[in-house]
Amino acid sequence: AQKITQTQPGMFVQEKEAVTLDCTYDTSDPSYGLFWYKQPSSGEMIFLIYQGSYDQQNATEGRYSLNFQKARKSANLVISASQLGDSAMYFCAMREYRDDKIIFGKGTRLHILP
Amino acid sequence: DARVTQTPRHKVTEMGQEVTMRCQPILGHNTVFWYRQTMMQGLELLAYFRNRAPLDDSGMPKDRFSAEMPDATLATLKIQPSEPRDSAVYFCASVGQGVPEAFFGQGTRLTVV
Repeated sequence: AQKITQTQPGMFVQEKEAVTLDCTYDTSDPSYGLFWYKQPSSGEMIFLIYQGSYDQQNATEGRYSLNFQKARKSANLVISASQLGDSAMYFCAMREYRDDKIIFGKGTRLHILP
Repeated sequence: DARVTQTPRHKVTEMGQEVTMRCQPILGHNTVFWYRQTMMQGLELLAYFRNRAPLDDSGMPKDRFSAEMPDATLATLKIQPSEPRDSAVYFCASVGQGVPEAFFGQGTRLTVV
């Protein structure tokens, strides 16, 4: 069965530091995708970054990068040079392509300190 | 500006009443999801459809929840009768061909008193 685990319910990080949000997953489907979404206090769900299971290189989008370790089944989000506006809830998600189901982890609440 | 539209944005209702939440997916998106967000459970998948056909609704309490797609531009989630424990934010999301990520609506905040 699909499963997404985010082990950090909350994190506090000093502004301008890099931060790593952990995500591990479990699936038997060889074809899948991994995502990170940001949910600020306004409640909207903002797509950040995507990694396909067959992608050879780690995905990057501006200050966001996804540290994909396939053998360990981990897909950690790295935010470089954190900003106050990065304070939000972050969700890891997985899509299995055999049935297109997308499931989410429970999220990590990130607080950036000035 | 393509977006997923959910109505209503907020709903307060009394226990026992029927609640209907609506979602208009992005035009051309053929897979539609319903999620429920609570503090304790995070984002739970309730049900999803591909080409209007239900693929999985195992996340829904079957006795009171129902999800349908009457046509390609409308998905509905009904709760009858509603209970206080149904209070949550309900999100709809859609996915299109060739695009991996799901696009989310703004959610319906439901409060059952």
